Amino acid sequence: DAKTTQPPSMDCAEGRAANLPCNHSTISGNEYVYWYRQIHSQGPQYIIHGLKNNETNEMASLIITEDRKSSTLILPHATLRDTAVYYCIVRPQNSGYALNFGKGTSLLVTP
Amino acid sequence: DAGITQSPRYKITETGRQVTLMCHQTWSHSYMFWYRQDLGHGLRLIYYSAAADITDKGEVPDGYVVSRSKTENFPLTLESATRSQTSVYFCASSDPSGQGSSPLHFGNGTRLTVT
Repeated sequence: DAKTTQPPSMDCAEGRAANLPCNHSTISGNEYVYWYRQIHSQGPQYIIHGLKNNETNEMASLIITEDRKSSTLILPHATLRDTAVYYCIVRPQNSGYALNFGKGTSLLVTP
Repeated sequence: DAGITQSPRYKITETGRQVTLMCHQTWSHSYMFWYRQDLGHGLRLIYYSAAADITDKGEVPDGYVVSRSKTENFPLTLESATRSQTSVYFCASSDPSGQGSSPLHFGNGTRLTVT
């Protein structure tokens, strides 16, 4: 399975854009990049996913490099409620397409 | 209400007892998953199921049993609970259409304490 590398923690000022990086240099051509977040004690929440193209939804934008070896999740206007652990996951083609969660990035949004 | 629900939210049991955690989803997703989350280990896959009557082991299946007689339910049973099974358990479901392109949706978890 392709592994991901994320910084353990990041800070962001409220109202500013939060840019969370992820490296996945061993990703295969048909593997999707997924982003989830987990707010304390709650279940992981789906944010966005993509294969090759950049994606945007009401929560965030996902920028995937052309070689697909890295990606960035962008929260355009971070709020205090965005404080959470963010997981970047490359979804494998086995185990029923289960997600393998790493340690993620702990994002702290400050006033 | 549509979605995925887990019950109970909190459970305290004694070592050696059998306990079953319930998971119910209303989307008719064919894939369902059980994870556990512990400090220092993150989320780890216990079992998953591709459809009714089809289940398979994940990363940490020892000490757990699952069944899937109906598409919407995926109970997880600890046949003889041990303290090491104290954890937060999350259930998830996914639609297989498009294979890897359908997100997993998670429940709010069951916090299990084994004394």
